[in-house]
Amino acid sequence: EVQLVESGGGLVQPGRSLKLSCVASGFTFSNYGMNWIRQAPGKGLEWVAYISSGSSYIYYAETVKGRFTISRDNAKNTLYLQMTSLRSEDTALYYCARLRLADYWGQGVMVTVSS
Amino acid sequence: DIQMTQSPASLSASLEEIVTITCQASQNIGNWLAWYQQKPGKSPQLLIYGTTSLADGVPSRFSGSRSGTQYSLKISRLQVEDIGIYYCQQASSTPFTFGSGTKLEIK
Repeated sequence: EVQLVESGGGLVQPGRSLKLSCVASGFTFSNYGMNWIRQAPGKGLEWVAYISSGSSYIYYAETVKGRFTISRDNAKNTLYLQMTSLRSEDTALYYCARLRLADYWGQGVMVTVSS
Repeated sequence: DIQMTQSPASLSASLEEIVTITCQASQNIGNWLAWYQQKPGKSPQLLIYGTTSLADGVPSRFSGSRSGTQYSLKISRLQVEDIGIYYCQQASSTPFTFGSGTKLEIK
């Protein structure tokens, strides 16, 4: 069974940093590109970043470029999102999802940016 | 960036009715189009990928189609468990944009 489990969220002050993790199981993680997708409270879905299976290709939304870094450790079956210079508009539920057209999603982890 | 214009924003339909939701892409995305269903408090679930392919475990009453740069999701006989918010997404080029969503309710 494919499982994606996010962690690392919480309440953080504006300007601070946070690192999210997504542990994958039930499939060969190193064979799949992965995304981070977020959803602000009561809002729609916003794609954040994508990383290819071997980390050769990495893309970001303009809203997070230069502040967020997506990475992965295929030996640990783990996807990461390092978030810096956080803003109130980054407050959202963050999902990791498999493939460009996301066939599996995690349950999400909440990030709240507030003073 | 590719814009995905989704309509309608909300929809109320009767059980067993046929429902259609559309997404208009601002440029050619080929078949890099997916549809997702999100129920309250849950993660989105893939329904359709590659414009027309049904995801595993998705009932056959869901189907996807394309006419040029307009993409459609059809529910052939609406069931009570189909209520939720539906999103389209293009993954032809980054940023992988989503439509704004369609909230589907039972009349």
